[in-house]
Amino acid sequence: DAGVTQSPTHLIKTRGQQVTLRCSPKSGHDTVSWYQQALGQGPQFIFQYYEEEERQRGNFPDRFSGHQFPNYSSELNVNALLLGDSALYLCASSLGLGGEPQHFGDGTRLSIL
Amino acid sequence: QKEVEQNSGPLSVPEGAIASLNCTYSDRGSQSFFWYRQYSGKSPELIMSIYSNGDKEDGRFTAQLNKASQYVSLLIRDSQPSDSATYLCAARFSGSARQLTFGSGTQLTVLP
Repeated sequence: DAGVTQSPTHLIKTRGQQVTLRCSPKSGHDTVSWYQQALGQGPQFIFQYYEEEERQRGNFPDRFSGHQFPNYSSELNVNALLLGDSALYLCASSLGLGGEPQHFGDGTRLSIL
Repeated sequence: QKEVEQNSGPLSVPEGAIASLNCTYSDRGSQSFFWYRQYSGKSPELIMSIYSNGDKEDGRFTAQLNKASQYVSLLIRDSQPSDSATYLCAARFSGSARQLTFGSGTQLTVLP
């Protein structure tokens, strides 16, 4: 049973660049949520995708955008990278809107120089 | 602002002891609560979910929920060095059914 998979595992970018992170949900799941976890903090909700639409968004600027594909996989795009965007980006999947529990992937560690 | 609060620790307990982790939340209408374990450099792993007042036991883990006091706790019995990790409390708040709100986590160290 394939769990949530994310790529890449690590990424180094410079300020002002753009980045795309990818996520494949756990088998049987159709909903993908993205979280940002800064060092020493709990994950913070960015947004959730279901049926290829953004269904809910946390307190993140428009520089953060996403997409969900027909096979339920998802991408997180961040434009005009800032030093403060350095964090672990986590993807979680679940079944249906409000589905519980959410299962997390191993994350992408993004470092901004 | 709907929040989840945890003592950041660190919390140290000797091997074989009971570790007690606590969490409070701000939204009285919240219905779902979760405990995740996160090893350093790894992703959060769900260990317990609780939805009703009272206790819920799973092996060495017991989650306790008191909605009147807006309080959730996690007890780990017979603590092992492998339990050393950061424990994250999360809640699904009313009106935000699609997201989890996490506390900042409690770092637990179990001493051999």
